[in-house]
Amino acid sequence: AQKVTQAQTEISVVEKEDVTLDCVYETRDTTYYLFWYKQPPSGELVFLIRRNSFDEQNEISGRYSWNFQKSTSSFNFTITASQVVDSAVYFCALVKREDYKLSFGAGTTVTVRA
Amino acid sequence: EPEVTQTPSHQVTQMGQEVILRCVPISNHLYFYWYRQILGQKVEFLVSFYNNEISEKSEIFDDQFSVERPDGSNFTLKIRSTKLEDSAMYFCASTLGGTSYEQYFGPGTRLTVT
Repeated sequence: AQKVTQAQTEISVVEKEDVTLDCVYETRDTTYYLFWYKQPPSGELVFLIRRNSFDEQNEISGRYSWNFQKSTSSFNFTITASQVVDSAVYFCALVKREDYKLSFGAGTTVTVRA
Repeated sequence: EPEVTQTPSHQVTQMGQEVILRCVPISNHLYFYWYRQILGQKVEFLVSFYNNEISEKSEIFDDQFSVERPDGSNFTLKIRSTKLEDSAMYFCASTLGGTSYEQYFGPGTRLTVT
């Protein structure tokens, strides 16, 4: 079975600071996919990024970047130059190949203060 | 941009009543899901549906729950006899399948059982 752990329950920063969210996962599968979702106060779940287990290249997309380390089973997510609109709960999730069922972490609440 | 829609946005019902939550997935997607999020907790998988049948269900998805795709567009979740502990946000999601694992979520239905 898959397990996703987000050890940080809450993070509070001042606008323009960088925020890094930690995610550690467990799976026996060799092929899997990792995701970050954002849940703003309005409640919907918004897909942000996906990373395949066979591609450890880290990327940047606008103010978002992620650091995938297969050796430590970690998939950390960074918001650069945070803004008040980034205030939300962020969920890390995992799905194994040919399963399609998402296993979510407990979420990290990010509060960005003006 | 195509999106998943859900109705109603909020449903209040009395314990023991039946409720039907409705979803319209993205039109070319092949896999459909229901997830549940009890207030302040993580998102939990309920059921996945593919090719007009359930492909996987969680322990939460007991005999009180059922899903249906009555026509080419709607995907419904029925709770036969609601309990207080069914109060939660229910999210519908869909994914294209194949090598596309991103699940796109609807805005959710908040179910309150009194």
